[in-house]
Amino acid sequence: GQQVQQSPASLVLQEGENAELQCNFSSTATRLQWFYQHPGGRLVSLFYNPSGTKHTGRLTSTTVTNERRSSLHISSSQTTDSGTYFCAITGANTGKLTFGHGTILRVHP
Amino acid sequence: EAAVTQSPRSKVAVTGGKVTLSCHQTNNHDYMYWYRQDTGHGLRLIHYSYVADSTEKGDIPDGYKASRPSQENFSLILELASLSQTAVYFCASKDWGNQDTQYFGPGTRLLVL
Repeated sequence: GQQVQQSPASLVLQEGENAELQCNFSSTATRLQWFYQHPGGRLVSLFYNPSGTKHTGRLTSTTVTNERRSSLHISSSQTTDSGTYFCAITGANTGKLTFGHGTILRVHP
Repeated sequence: EAAVTQSPRSKVAVTGGKVTLSCHQTNNHDYMYWYRQDTGHGLRLIHYSYVADSTEKGDIPDGYKASRPSQENFSLILELASLSQTAVYFCASKDWGNQDTQYFGPGTRLLVL
């Protein structure tokens, strides 16, 4: 089946520092998304980014499909960025998501 | 934004007992999904449905049943709960025409003793 690997497993930053999260996936025929899970558990979609670069606020996602990798860049981190970041790939037609194990981010003031 | 609610939000069950987790969405989405999340891991798909009265197996269906009695409601049933089913369970929904945006519920924390 499809596989998704994320790195690092965890990351600790001082507020204001930048972060780079990596995702590698097993197939080029996939559509990639990034999710954020609040410390309380709520899961929200950040990006649907099957290829290229997308920006929203301080977040930038870059996916290089033929190299089967994606990155999530967080600039000028804030304590409210703390939580877990997942990348996931979508199966064709069913919308089934296969998740990576996530990167736990902690931003200290 | 799509509204997906789950009940109960947390539950303690005994081994061998029956547990039913409920999910309700109010946006007429065709697809609904049940995932489980174990500590330190991502979500894994248990069952999903793309139409009322029909369910499909996901990646880890063993020990679980699902029911989709209407477009709005999707239940996950543990007939004989086991210790290994302690986890957080998430429901999600998605529109037919929007292939990739899934909206997640707040999760149900299940502890099996």
